[in-house]
Amino acid sequence: DIQLTQSPSFLSASVGDRVTITCRASQGISSYLAWYQEKPGKAPKLLIYATSTLQSGVPSRFSGSGSGTEFTLTISSLQPEDFATYYCQQLNSNPLTFGGGTKVEI
Amino acid sequence: EVQLVESGGGLVQPGGSLRLSCAASGFTFSTYWMHWVRQAPGQGLVWVSRVSSDGSNTLYADSVKGRFTISRDNAKNTLYLQMNSLRAEDTAVYYCARVFSDSSGRAFDYWGQGTLVTVSS
Repeated sequence: DIQLTQSPSFLSASVGDRVTITCRASQGISSYLAWYQEKPGKAPKLLIYATSTLQSGVPSRFSGSGSGTEFTLTISSLQPEDFATYYCQQLNSNPLTFGGGTKVEI
Repeated sequence: EVQLVESGGGLVQPGGSLRLSCAASGFTFSTYWMHWVRQAPGQGLVWVSRVSSDGSNTLYADSVKGRFTISRDNAKNTLYLQMNSLRAEDTAVYYCARVFSDSSGRAFDYWGQGTLVTVSS
């Protein structure tokens, strides 16, 4: 199985900060990497797929990059509604796997 | 509007069974592969199972293989997860999710709100 390691696990930031979350895969996953945002009591929300494609309706302050085994999610200017937990997911091979999550707190 | 609504969760004793349902609306259900994902209390997301659009192709996580069965009824626009021989470690919120794909890649673009399964005596 492909392991995804997210770092950091926890991040403390302020409104307006630039935030970067890293997701490292145990083996190459091409560009089949997605990012989700999860808020308490709500279903995960797709932000980015195929490493860098912004899902429709997602603000442009979110961006993704990377290839092979190292990927990043960047929030260019953190907004109050962005405080949440973020997960990466690989869809390159079965079983599909998620990273352990990064909690972004004030 | 795309909607996925799970039901069927609840409290069950170890060794017991439950069947989860996921009612889909707002899209052509029969053309999408569907997945189940779970999240134990305070933990991360874990993929559980998937089924092809016509129901003929299924796959399971090792942790549930032989105990869980995924299926679908395209006439009723409903996805199912039959869970047998339940264990305490199966306690989680279970989400159904739709997978979409385009020329760039694929991802889970819609998720249900989740249904809580608690396995305890």
